[in-house]
Order: sequence, then C-alpha cells, then structure tokens
Amino acid sequence: AQSVTQLGSHVSVSEGALVLLRCNYSSSVPPYLFWYVQYPNQGLQLLLKYTSAATLVKGINGFEAEFKKSETSFHLTKPSAHMSDAAEYFCAVSVSEVGNEKLTFGTGTRLTIIP
Amino acid sequence: DGGITQSPKYLFRKEGQNVTLSCEQNLNHDAMYWYRQDPGQGLRLIYYSQIVNDFQKGDIAEGYSVSREKKESFPLTVTSAQKNPTAFYLCASSIGTAPSAEQYFGPGTRLTVT
Repeated sequence: AQSVTQLGSHVSVSEGALVLLRCNYSSSVPPYLFWYVQYPNQGLQLLLKYTSAATLVKGINGFEAEFKKSETSFHLTKPSAHMSDAAEYFCAVSVSEVGNEKLTFGTGTRLTIIP
Repeated sequence: DGGITQSPKYLFRKEGQNVTLSCEQNLNHDAMYWYRQDPGQGLRLIYYSQIVNDFQKGDIAEGYSVSREKKESFPLTVTSAQKNPTAFYLCASSIGTAPSAEQYFGPGTRLTVT
C-alpha cells in the first residue's frame, strides 16, 4: 500500500525567507502526488499535483514542488514566505490500481510565519 | 458558485445518540468522500461513493454509515457504535476516481460528543 511521510509536524520561517516542507512517499507503482493547504477550521484546497507530465510542478500562491524518483520525495517550496502562507499543509499520494482508488494523506505540517 | 456545502459547521451531541452530517455538492461530480481529521493524524477515509446507490468502506468505517440516493448528496451518520466520534469531518468530491483526479473539499463539520 502507498504512504507518505511528512518530516516536521511544525515548521517556522521568517517572512520573506524560503519555505521548504518535506514529503517522502512509498509506492510499488508510479504515484500521483498532491499538496493541499488547510486554513484554520476550513476544508482543504489543492496547491499542486504531479501526474508524471513534468517533474517540476508549479502551483498556486507561488508554491512549487519537484518530484524526485531516486529520493522518493516531493518537497514543497516557496522562495519568499508571506504572512498569508500560515496554514497546515498536507502531502497525499494515489496510485493507479483497481480496488485501491483512494488518496492517502500524510499527517500534515503546520507552517508558522514569523514577522 | 459551484462547490460543496456541509452543515452544520459545529454540532454537539450527547453520547449514545446517532447524528447525521450533511454534504451537498453542485459540481456534478460522480465521486464523493467522507474523511475524519484528528490532530496530528492527517485525514483518514471513512467511506466513498463512485456513483449513485453505491458506496465502499474506507479505512475507518466502523461506527459510521452513509447513503447515496442522489448524485448531489452524501450524508454521513455517526452511530452510537463509534467509540470516539469527536472530530472534524470533511466531505469531498471529484469528477471521477482516477488517481490523478483532484478532490474538492467542503468547509467541514466539527462534531463534539459529550
């Protein structure tokens, strides 16, 4: 079965600094990978997704992620943090297997922005 | 505006009572999902439905039930058999169940059982 591991349940960065949120996946077949963002007491919103078209994926709000098969990673980055980026971020994986059509989420990383 | 609505936003119940959480979508999506979110545990799949009148158990279906009588609606009942029902519940939908399909989420219902 597929899984994702998000390293660091809490990450703090200064406003204007680089944001790096880590995600490693485990899958026996080629994965589809997603990053979602959740603001307090709200649902999740898709930031970006990898579907094998290109290894560097650009998303909304200036975020991007790079799929690295050799490292089984899909880390999320943003060059310059903004106060509005404070939220919880979830990495998720799905695979193309009959009877296994579900999205598996990591445990999340809460991002705090320091003014 | 197309989207997913969940009601109510906050729900309080006494232990031993069944409670039904509403989820409606006007995105014309075939697939719908229910997740449970607990602090530090991410989202866990309770039930999902790929088409009207059909649904499958997810990873933590015990103590929950669902129905899918209409394409737009996928209500979740938390029964008295659910040992720890207090949680944040999220409903989602997608065009289909292809692994690349984006899931769209509702705003969630926070259930507190005392």
